[in-house]
Amino acid sequence: ELVLTQSPGTLSLSPGERATLSCRASQSVSTSSLAWYQQKPGQAPRLLIYGASGRASGTPDRFSGSGSGTDFALTISRLEPEDFAVYYCQHYGSSIFTFGPGTKVDIK
Amino acid sequence: QVQLQQWGAGLLKPSETLSLTCGVYGGSFSGYYWSWIRQSPGKGLEWIGEINHSGSTNYNPSLKSRVTISVDTSKKQFYLILSSVTAADTAVYYCVRAPITMIPQNAFDIWGQGTVVTVSS
Repeated sequence: ELVLTQSPGTLSLSPGERATLSCRASQSVSTSSLAWYQQKPGQAPRLLIYGASGRASGTPDRFSGSGSGTDFALTISRLEPEDFAVYYCQHYGSSIFTFGPGTKVDIK
Repeated sequence: QVQLQQWGAGLLKPSETLSLTCGVYGGSFSGYYWSWIRQSPGKGLEWIGEINHSGSTNYNPSLKSRVTISVDTSKKQFYLILSSVTAADTAVYYCVRAPITMIPQNAFDIWGQGTVVTVSS
């Protein structure tokens, strides 16, 4: 069973700073099957990145995804006020979808 | 603009059956897998299962024995049945869309508004 681990649990940063979020898989996975979501309080998650590095429709270019094998990252180049939220990674494989526990990005 | 609208009972007693419906508005029904996902404070986001327009399903092994997902293509609706609910099934339930061959493959690009389901005696 694949397990996704996200770190850190909480990231406290100021607007304008760079954020780097990590997602680690318990076994090597295909980059085509790794996605990232943003969730704000009271809202459904929103797809940001698919295929490890492809931006979904409407995703600002300050968001970028990278990685391969077991280690993936979501980078926000310069935090805007609307970027403070919880971020989840997600994998698809063997007809099963798995989510990580999330990283909360909050205002320092 | 594709929208998913979902509805169903929000308060259940232990051992009852959860039933939710999701309607697809403004887009095609074929070419996608349609899933149910739930979110609880204790377990985060959990994928429940999926179905395509022809009725082919995949389920999360951890819930498979209690879950049935079905589809009515004429109404552009799909459904979730979860039997024998307990307090552990208390969560926000979302219906979602995942493209089969188009981008973004293997990801959920459209989400319903969510339904809060509480299981309590």
